[in-house]
Amino acid sequence: EPEVTQTPSHQVTQMGQEVILRCVPISNHLYFYWYRQILGQKVEFLVSFYNNEISEKSEIFDDQFSVERPDGSNFTLKIRSTKLEDSAMYFCASATDNYGYTFGSGTRLTVV
Amino acid sequence: EDQVTQSPEALRLQEGESSSLNCSYTVSGLRGLFWYRQDPGKGPEFLFTLYSAGEEKEKERLKATLTKKESFLHITAPKPEDSATYLCAVPPGGGADGLTFGKGTHLIIQP
Repeated sequence: EPEVTQTPSHQVTQMGQEVILRCVPISNHLYFYWYRQILGQKVEFLVSFYNNEISEKSEIFDDQFSVERPDGSNFTLKIRSTKLEDSAMYFCASATDNYGYTFGSGTRLTVV
Repeated sequence: EDQVTQSPEALRLQEGESSSLNCSYTVSGLRGLFWYRQDPGKGPEFLFTLYSAGEEKEKERLKATLTKKESFLHITAPKPEDSATYLCAVPPGGGADGLTFGKGTHLIIQP
């Protein structure tokens, strides 16, 4: 069964450093998303991406965040200057239509 | 403001003991209600989408139902492998992207 692949599975970074989280969506999917889940809290929408541009972003997705689809297969989330409160699980998802998501297994980001 | 509230927060059942999980939602113009299963350290795994009141969907020991204000996930004769956190989510009102998730119900099935 096709799956969404995320790397790394766990990343530890120092506060203020830039991190890039990587995702390989399912190949025939057209819609791409990032969500995050702070430990013990809800899964929260960050951003949606379609047709090589951001469709929508949440209030969480401020200027410190950016997304890119640098080639035909990868989809990345960059956090420019990490803060302690950015520590969370980050999930990539892809879909053939607006809501038929397949989620990846996530990257656990720990900011120290 | 769109809201999704799940109850109970946690539920411990004996193997074979049937029960139901609740998801109450408030959203203008429901465009679907989604159920996901999440195992520890993993991403949500899609279970069901329900679109209109009265709709029901089944998968193995799970059945999801929908009314105008809430959805239920019924689990019949559960097995230990059904232990997981079950998440409910709705698209936000106004046609916006993304899903609004509830906090989930952490279900433990004891052998």
